Amino acid sequence: GIQVEQSPPDLILQEGANSTLRCNFSDSVNNLQWFHQNPWGQLINLFYIPSGTKQNGRLSATTVATERYSLLYISSSQTTDSGVYFCAVGSNDYKLSFGAGTTVTVRA
Amino acid sequence: DAMVIQNPRYQVTQFGKPVTLSCSQTLNHNVMYWYQQKSSQAPKLLFHYYDKDFNNEADTPDNFQSRRPNTSFCFLDIRSPGLGDAAMYLCATSRVGGTQYFGPGTRLLVL
Repeated sequence: GIQVEQSPPDLILQEGANSTLRCNFSDSVNNLQWFHQNPWGQLINLFYIPSGTKQNGRLSATTVATERYSLLYISSSQTTDSGVYFCAVGSNDYKLSFGAGTTVTVRA
Repeated sequence: DAMVIQNPRYQVTQFGKPVTLSCSQTLNHNVMYWYQQKSSQAPKLLFHYYDKDFNNEADTPDNFQSRRPNTSFCFLDIRSPGLGDAAMYLCATSRVGGTQYFGPGTRLLVL
């Protein structure tokens, strides 16, 4: 299956700081999603982004499919941004392979 | 609002006692998924349905079964839960090849 590597594994931020999370994947994909898992365990879909760039408020994401990586940008971080961020990729119509996640802690 | 609902949110069962978790959706998606997530790990796909077509992951234990009686509902049956089955169980839905939307999860504790 497709291998997914996320970095860094842990990130501690001061409120208001900006950060970049990275996702590398080992094969061509037709599906790539970024999720935020909140402290209660729910996975919230942030972006569906198999290629290109998208923005949603303080978050944006870029996927360079030809180079097999995706970046998630968090600007002006807030304490509510804390949690685990997962990148998940797929090469068929169904299965997503998840990375190990980046645990983000935003301190007030 | 269209959504994915899971019940119960917390489930306590005894070692070896069958348990059923449920998932329903109002998104009218034709694909439904069950994932298992253990502490500090990524979600792991157990199986998925495309309409009524059931697809089992190769490494999903036989102890786990699923039913999808209609488009809106999907059930996860654990026939004889062991201590190693304690985890968060996540249901998700999507259109074919589209964004997966997750429910809030059911946290299973096995005593």
